[in-house]
Amino acid sequence: QVQLVESGGGVVQPGGSLRLSCAASGFTFSSYGMHWVRQAPGKGLEWVAFIRYDGSNKYYADSVKGRFTISRDNSKNTLYLQMNSLRAEDTAVYYCAKGGAPQAGTGFDYWGQGTLVTVSS
Amino acid sequence: DIVMTQTPLSSPVTLGQPASISCRSSQSLVHSDGNTYLSWLQQRPGQPPRLLIYKISNRFSGVPDRFSGSGAGTDFTLKISRVEAEDVGVYYCMQATQFPRSFGQGTKLEIK
Repeated sequence: QVQLVESGGGVVQPGGSLRLSCAASGFTFSSYGMHWVRQAPGKGLEWVAFIRYDGSNKYYADSVKGRFTISRDNSKNTLYLQMNSLRAEDTAVYYCAKGGAPQAGTGFDYWGQGTLVTVSS
Repeated sequence: DIVMTQTPLSSPVTLGQPASISCRSSQSLVHSDGNTYLSWLQQRPGQPPRLLIYKISNRFSGVPDRFSGSGAGTDFTLKISRVEAEDVGVYYCMQATQFPRSFGQGTKLEIK
Protein backbone atom coordinates (compact mmCIF):
# COMPACT_ATOMS: atom_id res chain seq x y z
CA GLN A 1 0.00 0.00 0.00
CA VAL A 2 1.08 3.58 -0.60
CA GLN A 3 2.88 5.15 2.33
CA LEU A 4 4.29 8.64 2.72
CA VAL A 5 6.18 9.44 5.90
CA GLU A 6 7.35 12.98 6.61
CA SER A 7 10.15 13.86 9.01
CA GLY A 8 12.41 16.76 9.90
CA GLY A 9 9.96 19.12 11.55
CA GLY A 10 10.71 20.92 14.77
CA VAL A 11 11.17 24.30 16.42
CA VAL A 12 13.40 26.83 14.66
CA GLN A 13 14.11 30.51 15.23
CA PRO A 14 13.01 33.15 12.74
CA GLY A 15 15.56 33.39 9.95
CA GLY A 16 16.63 29.80 10.48
CA SER A 17 16.56 26.79 8.17
CA LEU A 18 15.07 23.32 8.20
CA ARG A 19 14.97 20.41 5.76
CA LEU A 20 11.92 18.20 5.58
CA SER A 21 11.93 14.70 4.12
CA CYS A 22 9.15 12.48 2.83
CA ALA A 23 9.90 8.78 2.44
CA ALA A 24 7.68 7.08 -0.11
CA SER A 25 6.82 3.41 -0.55
CA GLY A 26 4.18 1.24 -2.15
CA PHE A 27 4.31 2.85 -5.59
CA THR A 28 6.85 3.67 -8.30
CA PHE A 29 8.08 6.94 -6.81
CA SER A 30 10.12 7.89 -9.89
CA SER A 31 6.96 7.92 -12.05
CA TYR A 32 4.98 10.56 -10.16
CA GLY A 33 5.21 14.23 -9.39
CA MET A 34 5.04 15.16 -5.72
CA HIS A 35 3.62 18.07 -3.75
CA TRP A 36 4.17 19.79 -0.43
CA VAL A 37 1.08 21.28 1.22
CA ARG A 38 0.96 23.05 4.57
CA GLN A 39 -1.71 23.82 7.15
CA ALA A 40 -1.23 26.50 9.78
CA PRO A 41 -2.78 25.72 13.18
CA GLY A 42 -6.56 25.90 12.92
CA LYS A 43 -6.40 27.06 9.29
CA GLY A 44 -7.03 25.64 5.84
CA LEU A 45 -4.76 23.96 3.32
CA GLU A 46 -2.11 25.92 1.43
CA TRP A 47 -0.28 24.43 -1.52
CA VAL A 48 3.49 25.02 -1.21
CA ALA A 49 5.43 23.36 -4.03
CA PHE A 50 5.47 20.67 -6.73
CA ILE A 51 8.23 18.75 -8.47
CA ARG A 52 7.83 16.67 -11.61
CA TYR A 53 8.60 12.95 -11.56
CA ASP A 54 12.13 13.47 -12.87
CA GLY A 55 12.84 16.75 -11.12
CA SER A 56 12.86 18.66 -14.40
CA ASN A 57 10.25 21.23 -13.37
CA LYS A 58 9.45 22.79 -10.05
CA TYR A 59 6.66 25.18 -9.04
CA TYR A 60 6.26 27.24 -5.90
CA ALA A 61 3.66 29.32 -4.10
CA ASP A 62 4.54 33.01 -4.11
CA SER A 63 4.66 32.95 -0.31
CA VAL A 64 7.72 30.64 -0.34
CA LYS A 65 9.40 31.42 -3.67
CA GLY A 66 13.07 32.22 -3.23
CA ARG A 67 13.14 30.77 0.31
CA PHE A 68 12.04 27.13 -0.12
CA THR A 69 13.47 24.52 -2.49
CA ILE A 70 11.78 21.27 -3.41
CA SER A 71 13.91 18.36 -4.55
CA ARG A 72 13.83 14.57 -4.81
CA ASP A 73 16.13 11.58 -4.86
CA ASN A 74 14.49 8.86 -6.90
CA SER A 75 17.19 6.36 -5.93
CA LYS A 76 16.11 6.79 -2.30
CA ASN A 77 12.36 7.23 -2.95
CA THR A 78 12.53 10.45 -0.99
CA LEU A 79 11.13 13.96 -1.43
CA TYR A 80 12.67 16.99 0.28
CA LEU A 81 11.77 20.53 1.17
CA GLN A 82 14.63 22.84 2.10
CA MET A 83 13.24 25.81 4.00
CA ASN A 84 15.43 28.88 4.52
CA SER A 85 14.79 32.34 5.98
CA LEU A 86 11.90 30.95 7.98
CA ARG A 87 9.23 33.29 9.31
CA ALA A 88 6.60 32.97 12.00
CA GLU A 89 3.94 32.64 9.31
CA ASP A 90 5.63 29.46 8.05
CA THR A 91 4.50 27.70 11.23
CA ALA A 92 2.34 24.80 10.05
CA VAL A 93 1.96 21.09 9.61
CA TYR A 94 3.69 20.20 6.35
CA TYR A 95 2.27 17.34 4.31
CA CYS A 96 3.72 15.60 1.30
CA ALA A 97 1.17 14.39 -1.23
CA LYS A 98 1.48 12.18 -4.27
CA GLY A 99 0.73 13.62 -7.70
CA GLY A 100 -1.42 11.84 -10.23
CA ALA A 101 -0.73 10.39 -13.66
CA PRO A 102 -0.92 12.94 -16.51
CA GLN A 103 -4.53 13.79 -17.39
CA ALA A 104 -5.83 11.31 -14.80
CA GLY A 105 -6.73 14.14 -12.46
CA THR A 106 -6.00 12.03 -9.38
CA GLY A 107 -3.35 14.26 -7.89
CA PHE A 108 -3.26 14.49 -4.09
CA ASP A 109 -4.56 10.90 -3.93
CA TYR A 110 -2.27 9.94 -1.04
CA TRP A 111 -0.99 12.07 1.84
CA GLY A 112 1.46 11.61 4.65
CA GLN A 113 0.56 12.23 8.30
CA GLY A 114 2.44 15.52 8.29
CA THR A 115 5.32 17.03 10.25
CA LEU A 116 4.98 20.14 12.40
CA VAL A 117 7.26 23.11 11.84
CA THR A 118 7.20 25.85 14.49
CA VAL A 119 9.05 29.10 13.85
CA SER A 120 9.46 30.93 17.12
CA SER A 121 12.09 32.73 19.15
CA ASP B 1 -3.81 32.90 -9.83
CA ILE B 2 -7.11 31.03 -9.44
CA VAL B 3 -9.09 31.77 -6.28
CA MET B 4 -11.45 29.08 -5.00
CA THR B 5 -14.46 30.21 -2.93
CA GLN B 6 -16.61 27.78 -0.97
CA THR B 7 -20.06 28.24 0.52
CA PRO B 8 -21.18 27.74 3.18
CA LEU B 9 -18.16 27.78 5.51
CA SER B 10 -20.10 25.83 8.10
CA SER B 11 -22.90 23.32 7.59
CA PRO B 12 -24.83 21.78 10.49
CA VAL B 13 -26.65 18.70 9.20
CA THR B 14 -28.95 16.11 10.73
CA LEU B 15 -27.81 12.49 10.46
CA GLY B 16 -29.43 10.81 7.48
CA GLN B 17 -30.17 14.11 5.75
CA PRO B 18 -28.45 15.41 2.61
CA ALA B 19 -25.72 18.03 2.55
CA SER B 20 -24.40 20.22 -0.23
CA ILE B 21 -21.28 22.36 -0.58
CA SER B 22 -20.64 24.82 -3.38
CA CYS B 23 -17.33 25.89 -4.84
CA ARG B 24 -16.69 28.67 -7.32
CA SER B 25 -13.44 29.39 -9.12
CA SER B 26 -12.32 32.86 -10.21
CA GLN B 27 -11.74 31.57 -13.74
CA SER B 28 -12.67 28.55 -15.80
CA LEU B 29 -11.04 25.30 -14.71
CA VAL B 30 -11.19 23.78 -18.19
CA HIS B 31 -7.65 22.79 -19.11
CA SER B 32 -6.26 23.06 -22.63
CA ASP B 33 -6.44 19.24 -22.76
CA GLY B 34 -10.24 19.43 -22.35
CA ASN B 35 -10.32 18.11 -18.79
CA THR B 36 -11.56 20.04 -15.75
CA TYR B 37 -9.27 19.39 -12.83
CA LEU B 38 -11.56 20.08 -9.88
CA SER B 39 -11.24 17.83 -6.86
CA TRP B 40 -12.87 17.52 -3.46
CA LEU B 41 -11.00 16.45 -0.34
CA GLN B 42 -12.19 15.52 3.14
CA GLN B 43 -10.22 16.15 6.31
CA ARG B 44 -11.50 14.40 9.39
CA PRO B 45 -10.45 15.81 12.79
CA GLY B 46 -6.80 15.07 13.49
CA GLN B 47 -6.27 13.40 10.12
CA PRO B 48 -4.54 14.36 6.87
CA PRO B 49 -6.77 15.22 3.93
CA ARG B 50 -8.24 12.43 1.81
CA LEU B 51 -9.16 12.59 -1.88
CA LEU B 52 -12.89 12.05 -2.43
CA ILE B 53 -13.70 13.26 -5.94
CA TYR B 54 -11.51 14.12 -8.94
CA LYS B 55 -12.26 15.69 -12.31
CA ILE B 56 -15.57 17.08 -11.02
CA SER B 57 -17.49 13.86 -10.55
CA ASN B 58 -15.21 10.80 -10.32
CA ARG B 59 -15.17 9.07 -6.96
CA PHE B 60 -11.72 7.99 -5.82
CA SER B 61 -11.10 4.39 -4.79
CA GLY B 62 -13.00 3.38 -1.64
CA VAL B 63 -15.19 6.48 -1.48
CA PRO B 64 -18.82 5.66 -0.66
CA ASP B 65 -21.37 6.34 -3.38
CA ARG B 66 -23.30 8.73 -1.13
CA PHE B 67 -20.68 11.28 -2.20
CA SER B 68 -21.17 12.85 -5.61
CA GLY B 69 -19.75 15.80 -7.48
CA SER B 70 -21.12 17.92 -10.28
CA GLY B 71 -20.61 21.19 -12.09
CA ALA B 72 -18.74 22.75 -14.96
CA GLY B 73 -16.60 25.73 -15.84
CA THR B 74 -16.45 27.78 -12.65
CA ASP B 75 -19.25 26.35 -10.50
CA PHE B 76 -19.09 23.03 -8.72
CA THR B 77 -21.00 21.15 -6.03
CA LEU B 78 -20.28 18.31 -3.65
CA LYS B 79 -23.33 16.43 -2.38
CA ILE B 80 -23.68 13.88 0.36
CA SER B 81 -26.95 12.03 -0.10
CA ARG B 82 -27.34 10.91 3.52
CA VAL B 83 -24.88 12.23 6.08
CA GLU B 84 -23.32 9.71 8.45
CA ALA B 85 -21.42 10.39 11.66
CA GLU B 86 -18.08 9.54 9.99
CA ASP B 87 -18.61 12.38 7.49
CA VAL B 88 -17.86 15.02 10.13
CA GLY B 89 -14.87 17.12 9.16
CA VAL B 90 -13.77 19.85 6.79
CA TYR B 91 -14.28 19.62 3.04
CA TYR B 92 -12.07 21.41 0.53
CA CYS B 93 -12.41 21.96 -3.18
CA MET B 94 -9.17 22.23 -5.08
CA GLN B 95 -8.10 23.10 -8.60
CA ALA B 96 -5.28 21.34 -10.42
CA THR B 97 -5.79 23.03 -13.78
CA GLN B 98 -2.90 25.42 -13.38
CA PHE B 99 -0.08 26.36 -11.05
CA PRO B 100 -0.17 27.54 -8.36
CA ARG B 101 -2.62 24.89 -7.18
CA SER B 102 -5.27 26.38 -4.90
CA PHE B 103 -7.77 25.21 -2.31
CA GLY B 104 -11.05 26.64 -1.13
CA GLN B 105 -11.23 27.94 2.45
CA GLY B 106 -12.88 24.74 3.65
CA THR B 107 -16.43 23.92 4.77
CA LYS B 108 -16.90 22.46 8.22
CA LEU B 109 -19.55 19.76 8.27
CA GLU B 110 -20.99 19.10 11.70
CA ILE B 111 -23.91 17.16 13.07
CA LYS B 112 -26.85 19.07 14.54
